[in-house]
Amino acid sequence: GAVVSQHPSRVICKSGTSVKIECRSLDFQATTMFWYRQFPKQSLMLMATSNEGSKATYEQGVEKDKFLINHASLTLSTLTVTSAHPEDSSFYICSARQGFDTEAFFGQGTRLTVV
Amino acid sequence: AQSVTQLGSHVSVSEGALVLLRCNYSSSVPPYLFWYVQYPNQGLQLLLKYTSAATLVKGINGFEAEFKKSETSFHLTKPSAHMSDAAEYFCAVSGKRGYSTLTFGKGTMLLVSP
Repeated sequence: GAVVSQHPSRVICKSGTSVKIECRSLDFQATTMFWYRQFPKQSLMLMATSNEGSKATYEQGVEKDKFLINHASLTLSTLTVTSAHPEDSSFYICSARQGFDTEAFFGQGTRLTVV
Repeated sequence: AQSVTQLGSHVSVSEGALVLLRCNYSSSVPPYLFWYVQYPNQGLQLLLKYTSAATLVKGINGFEAEFKKSETSFHLTKPSAHMSDAAEYFCAVSGKRGYSTLTFGKGTMLLVSP
């Protein structure tokens, strides 16, 4: 399968600061990337869908001003958690797909801890 | 709308025993169905997928799943559990016909004892 890389794998930040998570498709061009959030011992919840060159589409209940998503190139999408608070601590996972009707591949996830 | 129900948040088996993880789906269109495995603090690895071809799907690590339309099920099985199979398993269904946004089940933690 294709390779999707997330960076960093773990990050600890202070409350009130912002943190950026990168999601890269290493061996294919990703027209669409998805961002998920996973709370401990729970399933993945889709946060937003981003298409290259377009604004992200956020799921209901997800604050777009808090979770800024940029998909400026076909191989990179970023999720920025702004003014992070302890309740934002979670495991964030991205996935990427090449075309509309193609399989999406997952990154290895980023553990965010806000202290 | 589509949904996935995974019966049992935890399943415990002995090493060498049969593994059966249950998944039932609801979908308004013929679904694509997936099983993923997640190890602690890692992303999702695809085990296998059903995309409207053969109803019995074989995946990696000796896992397989059978699509049963009449039962709206896609249960995951493995004849003989290995210690390394201990992980969280997620069943997922695509939102529309073909590959689309995935809806995940709540996951089943597989525990394997020696």
